[in-house]
Amino acid sequence: AQRVTQPEKLLSVFKGAPVELKCNYSYSGSPELFWYVQYSRQRLQLLLRHISRESIKGFTADLNKGETSFHLKKPFAQEEDSAMYYCALSGSTLGRLYFGRGTQLTVWP
Amino acid sequence: EPEVTQTPSHQVTQMGQEVILRCVPISNHLYFYWYRQILGQKVEFLVSFYNNEISEKSEIFDDQFSVERPDGSNFTLKIRSTKLEDSAMYFCASKREENQPQHFGDGTRLSIL
Repeated sequence: AQRVTQPEKLLSVFKGAPVELKCNYSYSGSPELFWYVQYSRQRLQLLLRHISRESIKGFTADLNKGETSFHLKKPFAQEEDSAMYYCALSGSTLGRLYFGRGTQLTVWP
Repeated sequence: EPEVTQTPSHQVTQMGQEVILRCVPISNHLYFYWYRQILGQKVEFLVSFYNNEISEKSEIFDDQFSVERPDGSNFTLKIRSTKLEDSAMYFCASKREENQPQHFGDGTRLSIL
């Protein structure tokens, strides 16, 4: 069965510290993985998708098929990174997304 | 930048009443979705819609739910007889092509009394 696991519900770091938000998945085929971000009172916004392999706002994520992980990383966290982060998986062209429960990141000054 | 818009932002309804949640997807998008998020829980897929028909639905999307694209711009979710457990944030999303990411609306907070 398809599943996305984000083990940390809450994560706090100080400004300038590295941050890693963990995401593990289970899926029998070749999924597409995404990170969505939701800033306070705003909509879900796409942050990254694994096939584009780009860095957005200093964040990167690498798909590790062996460990079935897609962890989100940033070397130096900023206060404006404080938000809810959702890892999501899509296994079909129709595009149904399976979401993790989200990790609330707080970056302290 | 074009956005998915949802109305109303908050809907309060008595249990047993019908409710219609409205979405205007981005204009050249072809794939449409509804998700919901019960407070404190995951975002869950409800239904996808393509080429004027439901393409996939989850086990949550039972006979009480229906979707329509009544004209070229709106995409609606109807809950026929609401239950307390339907209280949630409902998100609409759309995308242009198969290999494109989904764009989400701000959501409608549905409160069933």
